Amino acid sequence: DTAVSQTPKYLVTQMGNDKSIKCEQNLGHDTMYWYKQDSKKFLKIMFSYNNKELIINETVPNRFSPKSPDKAHLNLHINSLELGDSAVYFCASSQLQRNEQFFGPGTRLTVL
Amino acid sequence: AQSVTQPDIHITVSEGASLELRCNYSYGATPYLFWYVQSPGQGLQLLLKYFSGDTLVQGIKGFEAEFKRSQSSFNLRKPSVHWSDAAEYFCAVGAPMKGNKLVFGAGTILRVKS
Repeated sequence: DTAVSQTPKYLVTQMGNDKSIKCEQNLGHDTMYWYKQDSKKFLKIMFSYNNKELIINETVPNRFSPKSPDKAHLNLHINSLELGDSAVYFCASSQLQRNEQFFGPGTRLTVL
Repeated sequence: AQSVTQPDIHITVSEGASLELRCNYSYGATPYLFWYVQSPGQGLQLLLKYFSGDTLVQGIKGFEAEFKRSQSSFNLRKPSVHWSDAAEYFCAVGAPMKGNKLVFGAGTILRVKS
């Protein structure tokens, strides 16, 4: 009965490839987020969706495209992967009015 | 724009000793404040949160934090540290008027010596 789940947990790929990370929450929340944690453990928001509508879009290369098929899912697709994309990507969810965000276990992306 | 400063990159305490992790924030309105903990290779677990009301909030695992508006601080405390508390701790400020984005501090690594 995992609250926020992500797949895969680890992703190793070559530069230039396209990859996707999936996120699902079973908490009934209306808002989902993607965060990036870099090698220095610094966490920064990338995107947020509320009821399938994009509400936060930070300064992120347009190689990154989030997609929310429904309120319980938020996927992250990355085109033309670069070395600098190597990081841990965390999905989170909350009720918009509460802002108490629950995080998934993370996906460690390594670009070779 | 909101920001968070955690002045201590590393802190080492002896098991059984008290702990205080510092957090200062900058935000133009009443903030939502959070402390999260991250164990190695794990996700982030919410320890406690402040939205409004009582400025001393209790969290899980025996942690508490005090919101001091005059000092723009939200320091995390624990009276007696256990070896299992060794982890990285992140303070975050939430912006309810900006889509709820959380802005995190750089984190404080806690080491516990026996």
